[in-house]
Amino acid sequence: SQKIEQNSEALNIQEGKTATLTCNYTNYSPAYLQWYRQDPGRGPVFLLLIRENEKEKRKERLKVTFDTTLKQSLFHITASQPADSATYLCALDGGGGFKTIFGAGTRLFVKA
Amino acid sequence: EAGVAQSPRYKIIEKRQSVAFWCNPISGHATLYWYQQILGQGPKLLIQFQNNGVVDDSQLPKDRFSAERLKGVDSTLKIQPAKLEDSAVYLCASSLRQTHSYNEQFFGPGTRLTVL
Repeated sequence: SQKIEQNSEALNIQEGKTATLTCNYTNYSPAYLQWYRQDPGRGPVFLLLIRENEKEKRKERLKVTFDTTLKQSLFHITASQPADSATYLCALDGGGGFKTIFGAGTRLFVKA
Repeated sequence: EAGVAQSPRYKIIEKRQSVAFWCNPISGHATLYWYQQILGQGPKLLIQFQNNGVVDDSQLPKDRFSAERLKGVDSTLKIQPAKLEDSAVYLCASSLRQTHSYNEQFFGPGTRLTVL
């Protein structure tokens, strides 16, 4: 069955450092891979989307890479800030009406 | 632009009772999703509507869950009867999504359901 794995342990980093979150998947060939941010008590908020034929995508301090051979995506937050503390969800989408599958998320804590 | 609205925000019921959740998507969004998010897990798709038709309900426990999208706009999700394991946050999302393309999903704040 389709499976998405994200770091189950929380990631603790110091302000100003780069946070790197990992998303691995199996038994799936996604057309798109997305990253969402979720704060406690709130719904997920879309951050970035990367297509299967793209290797890297950037948006301000965010960078996503997508390796369809390794079946892995890396999500980077550069110059991290305490306000970046949240849970980050990876989601796969097969396109063409296929349902979106979410990972369990990785909790990020950025210390001032 | 107004976001996705959901109500109620919180609900506590006894097992075997019924409960209904309401969602009003962003105006003009063709696709509406209902997700179940159990504590510590990612959202799991229950049902996806394209306008007022069902695109995917493969993970909806149809013996107790039902959903409808009235006139392709608002939607309600019902659980009857509820079980303890239904305790979760129920998220509604919408997108402009049409077949063979992708648009980002916009989520509502969710309804936190506790079944005692």
